Amino acid sequence: AQSVTQLGSHVSVSEGALVLLRCNYSSSVPPYLFWYVQYPNQGLQLLLKYTSAATLVKGINGFEAEFKKSETSFHLTKPSAHMSDAAEYFCAVIMNTGNQFYFGTGTSLTVIP
Amino acid sequence: GAGVSQSPSNKVTEKGKDVELRCDPISGHTALYWYRQRLGQGLEFLIYFQGNSAPDKSGLPSDRFSAERTGESVSTLTIQRTQQEDSAVYLCASSLVPLATDTQYFGPGTRLTVL
Repeated sequence: AQSVTQLGSHVSVSEGALVLLRCNYSSSVPPYLFWYVQYPNQGLQLLLKYTSAATLVKGINGFEAEFKKSETSFHLTKPSAHMSDAAEYFCAVIMNTGNQFYFGTGTSLTVIP
Repeated sequence: GAGVSQSPSNKVTEKGKDVELRCDPISGHTALYWYRQRLGQGLEFLIYFQGNSAPDKSGLPSDRFSAERTGESVSTLTIQRTQQEDSAVYLCASSLVPLATDTQYFGPGTRLTVL
């Protein structure tokens, strides 16, 4: 079975500080991995995705994530937080033979001025 | 259209009533997905369509839930005899093709409240 665990339902960082949002997956084979962002009153927007090419994936708005098979992780990072990054972030996994996303419970990011 | 749209944006209903939620996918997208997001939880997969057929209905929580899709266009999610535990945000997504690597584009959701 596949599942996704996001450590920390709430993360607060100061403006300009490093953003690190954690995601670990549980799967018998390496899946495809995604990070989505949900701004208030908006739909989910794809930040980046890993589909078995480069393990370091760069996304929109300066975010990137690294797939580490040995750690079954796909943590999301951004070197310098901006106020506009405040949102809910979801990690999701999908098997390469399927179409069903398994989402984590989300991490709410607060950026402190 | 420019993106996935859903209607209504908010729906308040009484327990026992039926509700219909609508999703308009991005034009040309053959795959359409429904998810449910309960408060404080991640998204739960409900059903997906390839064209107007539904190969995977495994996520529908009960026989009170059903969905249909007209061609490669609008989809309707129907919940009969609503219960309070059905209260959630219902999200629709579409993708160009039903491949795992293809990006799913999400609508803003319908917030359903069952009193």
